[in-house]
Amino acid sequence: EAGVAQSPRYKIIEKRQSVAFWCNPISGHATLYWYQQILGQGPKLLIQFQNNGVVDDSQLPKDRFSAERLKGVDSTLKIQPAKLEDSAVYLCASSLASGGANEQFFGPGTRLTVL
Amino acid sequence: QQPVQSPQAVILREGEDAVINCSSSKALYSVHWYRQKHGEAPVFLMILLKGGEQKGHEKISASFNEKKQQSSLYLTASQLSYSGTYFCGTGLYLTTDSWGKLQFGAGTQVVVTP
Repeated sequence: EAGVAQSPRYKIIEKRQSVAFWCNPISGHATLYWYQQILGQGPKLLIQFQNNGVVDDSQLPKDRFSAERLKGVDSTLKIQPAKLEDSAVYLCASSLASGGANEQFFGPGTRLTVL
Repeated sequence: QQPVQSPQAVILREGEDAVINCSSSKALYSVHWYRQKHGEAPVFLMILLKGGEQKGHEKISASFNEKKQQSSLYLTASQLSYSGTYFCGTGLYLTTDSWGKLQFGAGTQVVVTP
């Protein structure tokens, strides 16, 4: 079974530039998550999709971050414009369904460096 | 609200045991445990549900104390491969407000030496 795919793996940009990350979840997984993991910290949920609808984006900085999940499969997370504090690893995860009883499968992440 | 993990770090010799704790101030439905090696994605270890039994994965087991809203992860007879950062993720009941999202602790770094 293929895992969660993410690209790019690494990205270096200057502040105020834009960047986009792509995620392809495990086939059949209805729930998709984007996490931000700052060095030395645990993952922080940015946004959660159930199929192609957003069910939680309470911690997403909506003035600069946006995300969409097309046709309930792939997802894109965008930052525009980027700030220095956005430097982090952005993890995508998926699970069969929402709810705390479902295992989340993580992708390899995208390491973003903002200069 | 983010759960609190302790200790922040632990150094073990191969074969030694360790306990990692995860505490929450809220009533929990589930506790997830993940291990992350440097530069890699978190890997699922186990889920404990309210009212469920103690779980195990190889020589790693965990328990969930519902009264204290606390979970403990037990590393028994540690191996070099156990090195990494262990995160607990706590889940509330599935509601229209929570959707069962996980709040992750800051992690416990485990180093197992020969």
